[in-house]
Amino acid sequence: GAVVSQHPSWVICKSGTSVKIECRSLDFQATTMFWYRQFPKQSLMLMATSNEGSKATYEQGVEKDKFLINHASLTLSTLTVTSAHPEDSSFYICSASALAGDSYEQYFGPGTRLTVT
Amino acid sequence: GQNIDQPTEMTATEGAIVQINCTYQTSGFNGLFWYQQHAGEAPTFLSYNVLDGLEEKGRFSSFLSRSKGYSYLLLKELQMKDSASYLCAVKDSNYQLIWGAGTKLIIKP
Repeated sequence: GAVVSQHPSWVICKSGTSVKIECRSLDFQATTMFWYRQFPKQSLMLMATSNEGSKATYEQGVEKDKFLINHASLTLSTLTVTSAHPEDSSFYICSASALAGDSYEQYFGPGTRLTVT
Repeated sequence: GQNIDQPTEMTATEGAIVQINCTYQTSGFNGLFWYQQHAGEAPTFLSYNVLDGLEEKGRFSSFLSRSKGYSYLLLKELQMKDSASYLCAVKDSNYQLIWGAGTKLIIKP
């Protein structure tokens, strides 16, 4: 149980275009979804937290107009990188949180590797 | 500020035991997590500690001391597939996960 999928697993796009990444919880309803970015050999960096039906909460330094998050249902969240630039190239990982015992565990998707040329 | 420290890299031998330490200073505490992350993949959940003591799960065990702001992950009977990064994360008073930079574990035959 507790499977999270991401699509696409990798994408190459040209500078200036937009890319949408989907995150789905396949066998549970996720109360909260998180979007992370990870550069090579660095730790996870939380970008934003989203709850179904409400606006995402962005971390300091993350441009909300550039990284659009839509959390349309309890099983789907999307991240759109608008007007992508080479410096946006990174590994984007989503996670979904569900209550397990007395803890909200986070289950991670497999990640999406974005390369902007 | 909030801070989580873990060694950058460790090396161990196949079949041996290794202990990865994590110390934390956070605003509040609502649990500590250990995740395993293989290169190029997303993290996978290993363990969760919210009370002091040892939690054992197969070859992996995790220990927590809240008074010392300290945890360790113990891996026994190491296998080559255990070569990965191990991430320590603490949930603070706002229930937000604060992540350590990860410990890269290299297993040698």
